[in-house]
Formats: sequence, structure tokens, C-alpha cells
Amino acid sequence: GPKVLQIPSHQIIDMGQMVTLNCDPVSNHLYFYWYKQILGQQMEFLVNFYNGKVMEKSKLFKDQFSVERPDGSYFTLKIQPTALEDSAVYFCASSLEQNTGQLYFGEGSKLTVL
Amino acid sequence: GDSVTQTEGQVTVSESKSLIINCTYSATSIGYPNLFWYVRYPGEGLQLLLKVITAGQKGSSRGFEATYNKEATSFHLQKASVQESDSAVYYCALSEWAGGYKVVFGSGTRLLVSP
Repeated sequence: GPKVLQIPSHQIIDMGQMVTLNCDPVSNHLYFYWYKQILGQQMEFLVNFYNGKVMEKSKLFKDQFSVERPDGSYFTLKIQPTALEDSAVYFCASSLEQNTGQLYFGEGSKLTVL
Repeated sequence: GDSVTQTEGQVTVSESKSLIINCTYSATSIGYPNLFWYVRYPGEGLQLLLKVITAGQKGSSRGFEATYNKEATSFHLQKASVQESDSAVYYCALSEWAGGYKVVFGSGTRLLVSP
């Protein structure tokens, strides 16, 4: 089936550094999402993105977070600067239509902030 | 806000026995949400198992079934006879319009099928 690819699968960085998580969504999809899952906790919505704009974001989407998809390339999540509480697995998802809620997920990028 | 509550933690079932993973939801929209079960097999990404968008309807896939019960606000996942290959983490989820479609997930239930 359709695949969403995420790079890197795991990254370890020092607190205060910047990190960019990359997502290659399904090729004809139009809606993009990031979710965050802390170990042992629920997977929680961060943000959704369509037509170059953030449509909706949650309280977890702090000012240090930003998303973009320049020229149809990777859909990225940037955190600058990182904090210890940003350690989590970040899942990217994409969908073709908005009104079904059916998402295709990547395998996740595990971020460890030291 | 919207929320999904499902059977917590891990469920262990012997092969060929029946399974039920409970899921209830709370949705704030005037209408009613779309409901999903997603599954993550070991070493793979989260993938859709089944979905139901109409109250009263049943969805099925790979021997699993779930019925959208609007009165009870439930969407329990059932299978009559599980196999070892069903061992995975199962997530109940809902989506509804909230200024944009957002999918809200439950905490996940790990199913371990023992031989």
C-alpha cells in the first residue's frame, strides 16, 4: 500500500540544539500531520497542514515548533531550540481527502534530547 | 474536547480464542464522528485496520469487526478466533470536523496472542 517515509528513524541531540524531522508523504496526498508520542503515553495530535498553511495546531505545538513543505518536497517538523520534554517519537501522516480522517502513517522518528 | 478511551495496557489471549478490545468515545461535534481502528504490527508503521462512518454500521477486516454504536458511544473491536500474527498494538480513533479534520487516538492496547 501507500507508504509514508520518515527520516531519520532516530536522532539524539543536546538540549538547545535545533532538529529537523523529515517526512516524505504519499505522493498524491494533500493533507499532512504530525503526532507526538511520549513513551508509554497516548499518541497526540500536534498539527495539520494543507496548501502551504497550518490548518490547526494543538497546545503541544509550542512556539519552538514549525512546519513547512517547500516546493512539494519533504514535509518537515523543526524544533528550535529543543527541550528535554521534546523527547518522543514523532509520527508523520498524510491523507488524500480531508473528510474521511483516514491517515497513512510513517514508522516514526524517535527523538532523544539529552 | 474529543477523547477516546480503550482497554488499557496489554491483553493476552490464547490462539483460536475470542477477543474483545473495548473502545468508547466522546465527540463534541453536532453530528457524529468517523470511527477507526488502526494497528501497528511489530516493526511497521501504524495502518488502518477498519473504519465506519455511519452509526449502526459494522466494519470488518482480516476477521476483525467493530460496530458503531451511537447510543452507547462505543466501537469495540472483536475477533472470534485470534492468530499469533494478530499480535500488535491496536488503536481506536475518531475524526470529526473541528475547523479542519483531526484524528484523535486512544492510548493503544497491546494484544499478545499466545500459542
